[in-house]
Amino acid sequence: QVHLVESGGGVVQPGKSLRLSCAASGFSFSAYGMDWVRQAPGKGLEWVASIWYDGSNKYYGDSVRGRFTISRDNSKNMVYLQMNGLRGEDTGVYYCARDRGTGAQFDYWGHGTLVTVSS
Amino acid sequence: QSVLTQPPSVSGAPGQRVTISCTGGSSNIGAGYDVHWYQQLPGTAPKLLIYANNNRPSGVPDRFSVSKSGTSASLAITGLQAEDEADYYCQSFDTSLTGWLFGGGTKLTVL
Repeated sequence: QVHLVESGGGVVQPGKSLRLSCAASGFSFSAYGMDWVRQAPGKGLEWVASIWYDGSNKYYGDSVRGRFTISRDNSKNMVYLQMNGLRGEDTGVYYCARDRGTGAQFDYWGHGTLVTVSS
Repeated sequence: QSVLTQPPSVSGAPGQRVTISCTGGSSNIGAGYDVHWYQQLPGTAPKLLIYANNNRPSGVPDRFSVSKSGTSASLAITGLQAEDEADYYCQSFDTSLTGWLFGGGTKLTVL
């Protein structure tokens, strides 16, 4: 049974950093791409970042490129999102999701972790 | 263009049929990338509803179906039920962004 569990959210001041983690279980982690998707309060879904199954390629949404970094540790079945230079508009629930490759669907999602950027 | 446009809301009575449109452009749906649909019930994480060409994950009833033409796609829900009340999102890959696009979401209200 596939499980994705996010952690690391919390309240952080503007300009500070935060690292989110996503623990994966129940599948062959190193065979799948992984993604982060966020949702601002009362708003829709926004794709944040993607990483290939082997970590060789990473892609970012325009609003986070240069500030956020996605990474993974296949030996630990973990994916991370390092968020630097946080802004108020980064506030929201961050979901970890598994993808089936470029152009393919996000077939499993975690329950999300809330990030609040506020002074 | 690199955006997927959905109507903000749709509604229907129990038993009726509703459709939700998703309009993209030549760098995403029009480029031949698959369109995927997600359902988000209130207070929960999104869930994959239908992917690519009418493929439904286990447990999703065949009341849900999709179609695609040119730069647009559409989700149809027949035999509307109260439990279908949720937000629905379309998704496609965009070659200009080298990344994913989600539609703005459509809130389905069952009257």
